Amino acid sequence: QVQLQESGPGLVKPSETLSLTCTVSGGSISNYYWSWIRQPAGKGLEWIGRIYTSGSTNYNPSLKSRVTMSVDTSKNQFSLKLSSVTAADTAVYYCARSIAAAAYNWFAPWGQGTLVTVSS
Amino acid sequence: DIVMTQSPDSLAVSLGERATINCKSSQSVLYSSNNKNYLVWYQQKSGQPPKLLIYWASTRESGVPDRFSGSGSGTDFTLTISSLQAEDVAVYYCQQYYSTPYTFGQGTKLEIK
Repeated sequence: QVQLQESGPGLVKPSETLSLTCTVSGGSISNYYWSWIRQPAGKGLEWIGRIYTSGSTNYNPSLKSRVTMSVDTSKNQFSLKLSSVTAADTAVYYCARSIAAAAYNWFAPWGQGTLVTVSS
Repeated sequence: DIVMTQSPDSLAVSLGERATINCKSSQSVLYSSNNKNYLVWYQQKSGQPPKLLIYWASTRESGVPDRFSGSGSGTDFTLTISSLQAEDVAVYYCQQYYSTPYTFGQGTKLEIK
């Protein structure tokens, strides 16, 4: 059974870059879409973007200018970088998998999530 | 962007009673070539990630109890829990994957009355 685990600093200073990694275990990272989704405390879910194992990406236009995603198939990992962070980027960040066919692009499974706080 | 709007924002239902949550999309999420609605429902319990319940608007994910059902097409959708159990206390989200950016409803908090 595929499992996802987010990792990275829990505290980032304003104006700096948030960097997270999602490690996939129990299955191959190949031939799937891999997404990042975030959730501010007590609020709803926001899709940040996704990467395919070929490296092609789709980003949410609301964050596109600050987001970079990458994938390392040799390590079964994919990563998120979000630049110029502010307090508004404080959230639990989830990684999630989607099957790479349009009719199946829902998110399952999800990682447990990691809280990132932006504060000086 | 497709805007997803859920109603109500919160709901209190007695154990064993029916719970109904609605979701409306700002444009149709029905993909005409395969007649499938690109609409899913998730359940999020406190401190946990969302869990997929329903896909294609009405197909239950494997392992999901049959008291959960989804219905609707086009722009209007409903999640129904036929007989509420204590373990169903959660926030429920609808999400469209018809077009990027993928978007979620604001969530409906379900509690026991």
